[in-house]
Amino acid sequence: DVKVTQSSRYLVKRTGEKVFLECVQDMDHENMFWYRQDPGLGLRLIYFSYDVKMKEKGDIPEGYSVSREKKERFSLILESASTNQTSMYLCASSYREKLFFGSGTQLSVL
Amino acid sequence: GQQLNQSPQSMFIQEGEDVSMNCTSSSIFNTWLWYKQDPGEGPVLLIALYKAGELTSNGRLTAQFGITRKDSFLNISASIPSDVGIYFCAGSAYSSASKIIFGSGTRLSIRP
Repeated sequence: DVKVTQSSRYLVKRTGEKVFLECVQDMDHENMFWYRQDPGLGLRLIYFSYDVKMKEKGDIPEGYSVSREKKERFSLILESASTNQTSMYLCASSYREKLFFGSGTQLSVL
Repeated sequence: GQQLNQSPQSMFIQEGEDVSMNCTSSSIFNTWLWYKQDPGEGPVLLIALYKAGELTSNGRLTAQFGITRKDSFLNISASIPSDVGIYFCAGSAYSSASKIIFGSGTRLSIRP
């Protein structure tokens, strides 16, 4: 089975802090994704990566950056966290059009 | 841009009832996917559909790819408590996961 592991289930940060969300997948997938999930809005794509050191902006990249130094690891970075970034963050890897998700990180920015 | 409308937003069911939900798109899709998210977990793929008119089952779940290619339906028969969760439809006009669009979800709850 595909396993996508997110390093934290819950995080509480203060406004202005730099925040790192880490994700690791064990299926040698080329593509990895970061989504944000908010009630009533479904899943919205922040960034994705199709190869090491390669990245593409998704639908809502503002306020976020990403890093992919190794194939299995994809990091989401909030350079200066703001309260409107309080959300559930989901990492995924994919085989063709099928996405495999981690358990999510619930981030609260106070 | 492309939009997905998923309905209903939420539903309360009695154990044993059948459940139906659907998604409609503003444009044609080549792939429809249905995911379920349990509380505190990430979404898990239930069913993938690739052809207009296709009907696919996974246990008590049945999904259909609409013949117009702009809609899809998910049915759950004889619901049980573990069916509780959020169901998402997702679709794409391309064969790449980066182009997938998600519906806003249907929250399924059991009526006490």
